[in-house]
Amino acid sequence: EIVLTQSPGTLSLSPGERATLSCRASQSVSSSYLAWYQQKPGQAPRLLIYGTSNRATGIPDRFSGSGSGTDFTLTISRLEPEDFAVYYCQQYGSSPFTFGPGAKVDIK
Amino acid sequence: EVQLVESGGGLVQPGGSLRLSCAASGFTFSSYSVNWVRLAPGKGLEWISYISGGGATIYYADSVKGRFTVSRDRAEKSLYLQMNGLRDEDTAVYYCARGMSSGRSGGDYWGQGTLVTVSS
Repeated sequence: EIVLTQSPGTLSLSPGERATLSCRASQSVSSSYLAWYQQKPGQAPRLLIYGTSNRATGIPDRFSGSGSGTDFTLTISRLEPEDFAVYYCQQYGSSPFTFGPGAKVDIK
Repeated sequence: EVQLVESGGGLVQPGGSLRLSCAASGFTFSSYSVNWVRLAPGKGLEWISYISGGGATIYYADSVKGRFTVSRDRAEKSLYLQMNGLRDEDTAVYYCARGMSSGRSGGDYWGQGTLVTVSS
């Protein structure tokens, strides 16, 4: 099983600042099979990035993804008020299609 | 418009069974895989099952293997998650999520979720 670790667990930032979230895998993940999601309380998750760096439909370009092998990054270039949420990475290259534990971006 | 609507959640005693449904609309049903994902109280997302577009490939998380069974009905355009031997730790909101292809992929459309509570 591929274990995903996210860091930091919580990121306290102000609107307008840059957020950098890390996702590290216990073994190599094909870049085609790494996604990032955003979830807010009481809502379903929302796909942000798939295949490491491809923005999903309707996702603003302030969200970007990068990485390869075992290290992946989600960057939010300038935080908007609606971006404060929990973010998860997921690998779907090999079963089980594991999620990371989540990283909370909250308002400083 | 792509829509996924889960139903079938509720309160069940430990050891009991439930069948969740996920009604799909707005897309060619057999062309897309579907995953089931759950969110337990105070926890993070947990992937629990995958079924390919044609239904030939199925995967389960170890935590539900042997207890949960996923299936899909092309005529009904629905997915099902049969859950047997339910445990307290299965208490969660259960989501179905459409993949972006018939194979392995992230979930681009999600249902609103259905709450399963396992308690005596």
